[in-house]
Amino acid sequence: DAGITQSPRHKVTETGTPVTLRCHQTENHRYMYWYRQDPGHGLRLIHYSYGVKDTDKGEVSDGYSVSRSKTEDFLLTLESATSSQTSVYFCAISAPGGITDTQYFGPGTRLTVL
Amino acid sequence: GQQVMQIPQYQHVQEGEDFTTYCNSSTTLSNIQWYKQRPGGHPVFLIQLVKSGEVKKQKRLTFQFGEAKKNSSLHITATQTTDVGTYFCAGPPVEKLTFGTGTRLTIIP
Repeated sequence: DAGITQSPRHKVTETGTPVTLRCHQTENHRYMYWYRQDPGHGLRLIHYSYGVKDTDKGEVSDGYSVSRSKTEDFLLTLESATSSQTSVYFCAISAPGGITDTQYFGPGTRLTVL
Repeated sequence: GQQVMQIPQYQHVQEGEDFTTYCNSSTTLSNIQWYKQRPGGHPVFLIQLVKSGEVKKQKRLTFQFGEAKKNSSLHITATQTTDVGTYFCAGPPVEKLTFGTGTRLTIIP
């Protein structure tokens, strides 16, 4: 497996509270991604980053913000969590143009918003 | 924008039966990737197809890319319990993949 870790792996929180999920990579890959996975919807891109302090929105970015101050870390923040944000969140990395042009996924974070 | 549709959403098969999932794009794709996600796990890259009409095999798995490069399929011969999981196709670019909704395969022993 690629050197990707996510923390926390599980979290239960209450509606209205802020939540930050962390993705850490040891591969020095330029691109990092946050996806959410829900039944019937597959993987949906929330935000992605193409370098330090360079980020862009995905298809489901409302209610989420991200930050990348170091190559190895990509943070996803829910400013005020809602029950609709209960989901499994996956971080991924990629290095386009490399030998294997693919995305590598972290183990996931299961978030429950009560 | 690009849309990638995948069917069926669910497939239940008896162990030993074959399984096929289909992926269709609204636009021509330069390539297509396939991923597998085991229950409780994370998606893992399986293969990438690039050429029109390309066929690639990985043991009991056969991947095809359509002649028009707008569709693809994954066929598993003689399924085993280790094949359980969700199979996703994904369209390019790798910098911002568009994933299909996935096909969840369950095996009846």
